[in-house]
Amino acid sequence: QKEVEQNSGPLSVPEGAIASLNCTYSDRGSQSFFWYRQYSGKSPELIMFIYSNGDKEDGRFTAQLNKASQYVSLLIRDSQPSDSATYLCAVNRPGGYNKLIFGAGTRLAVHP
Amino acid sequence: GAGVSQSPSNKVTEKGKDVELRCDPISGHTALYWYRQSLGQGLEFLIYFQGNSAPDKSGLPSDRFSAERTGGSVSTLTIQRTQQEDSAVYLCASSTTGLGQETQYFGPGTRLLVL
Repeated sequence: QKEVEQNSGPLSVPEGAIASLNCTYSDRGSQSFFWYRQYSGKSPELIMFIYSNGDKEDGRFTAQLNKASQYVSLLIRDSQPSDSATYLCAVNRPGGYNKLIFGAGTRLAVHP
Repeated sequence: GAGVSQSPSNKVTEKGKDVELRCDPISGHTALYWYRQSLGQGLEFLIYFQGNSAPDKSGLPSDRFSAERTGGSVSTLTIQRTQQEDSAVYLCASSTTGLGQETQYFGPGTRLLVL
């Protein structure tokens, strides 16, 4: 079992719809969770982070964390073609320094 | 600097040659990380620096890979006797202290192709 798992996709959604991206992790001690967006040929850029159970909203983006189920998700409302990218879930490995373990990413395609 | 910078942006080399990849982190960031991303894959952790020391080298795939950091700033990742399987994008990231729940900021990466 991989430490951080994501569906590779592609996840295809129509413009204006809600895109739901999911991630599960294996280490129950993980404390912080990050979503990065990576356009093709570009480096990852941080979209959101979440530390506490529940929802965290930032504009069109909502991160959801359920530590009991070891599950974190990212919702993108009113999806736009410019949201088409690969979304990487990263989980902090507890203990010591801030070591991030990345999932393989989910490719999102928003079509007009 | 404004962000993490890396050089070169692209590197093509022949199998068996050595290559050096450079990373210049955000000014004042003491933590620096190297990752590798193969085509269509996620990020694979290579090494972590806190200042000039590397307390975690667990991700280096073989002894052909080494890295150093000088002056608490610039880092160099060296790959000796490159192999075709070393072809990947090498990404560098930095964060403020490396502790707690910090955001890591990524550079643009170096695309390495070993022929």
